[in-house]
Amino acid sequence: QSALTQPASVSGSPGQSITISCTGTSSDVGSYKLVSWYQQHPGKAPKLMIYEDNKRPSGVSNRFSGSKSGNTASLTISGLQAEDEADYYCCSYAGDTSVVFGGGTKLTVL
Amino acid sequence: QVQLQESGPGLVKPSQALSLTCTVSGGSISSGHYYWSWIRQHPGKGLEWIGYIYHSGTTYYSPSLKSRVTISVDTSKNQFSLKLSSVTAADTAVYYCARDRATAYYFDYWGLGTLVTVSS
Repeated sequence: QSALTQPASVSGSPGQSITISCTGTSSDVGSYKLVSWYQQHPGKAPKLMIYEDNKRPSGVSNRFSGSKSGNTASLTISGLQAEDEADYYCCSYAGDTSVVFGGGTKLTVL
Repeated sequence: QVQLQESGPGLVKPSQALSLTCTVSGGSISSGHYYWSWIRQHPGKGLEWIGYIYHSGTTYYSPSLKSRVTISVDTSKNQFSLKLSSVTAADTAVYYCARDRATAYYFDYWGLGTLVTVSS
């Protein structure tokens, strides 16, 4: 069970859109509609942003959206705001009631 | 509003066991819709799933930690616990408890996390 692959960092200017990729395999990301995304600010607990590939929990801004193609899931943040600067983690069901996280991506708002 | 709170020693000696408890409030741990989970984060690193438990006591563990992990539940106290045996410095991390939506495998509520340092 290997960690999902995410870019170490991405950046964007306020108002722009960015996309964070999350690459797995046909045994995890590619097999189930069960990718979730988490936002983590420094020193804070992770916060659920997207679940089941593309669903948004109540209270999460519609600027956040999820998608998937094959073994790669993506998180897109539109209309970047300073408060979006954080670490983002993807997570996927990997079969046999186990889950696997990505290595995390640091988003910098320029 | 569901809340989770981790508690336990912040310092553990090498080779000893790490023990943490998560107290759940605002909801019953006996609800059949959730798994109750432990996740850790090494300093400056990513998240690592440790395992989870269902209210019935059924457990699921990460293959990489399975030989050292025990998760238990006390429904009367609305708590669940983590025990990690034979710890080394590599087990130094922030440990989070979280609620996992069973069969959907996402973590919707998290505790604040507690730092456990393994050192003599």
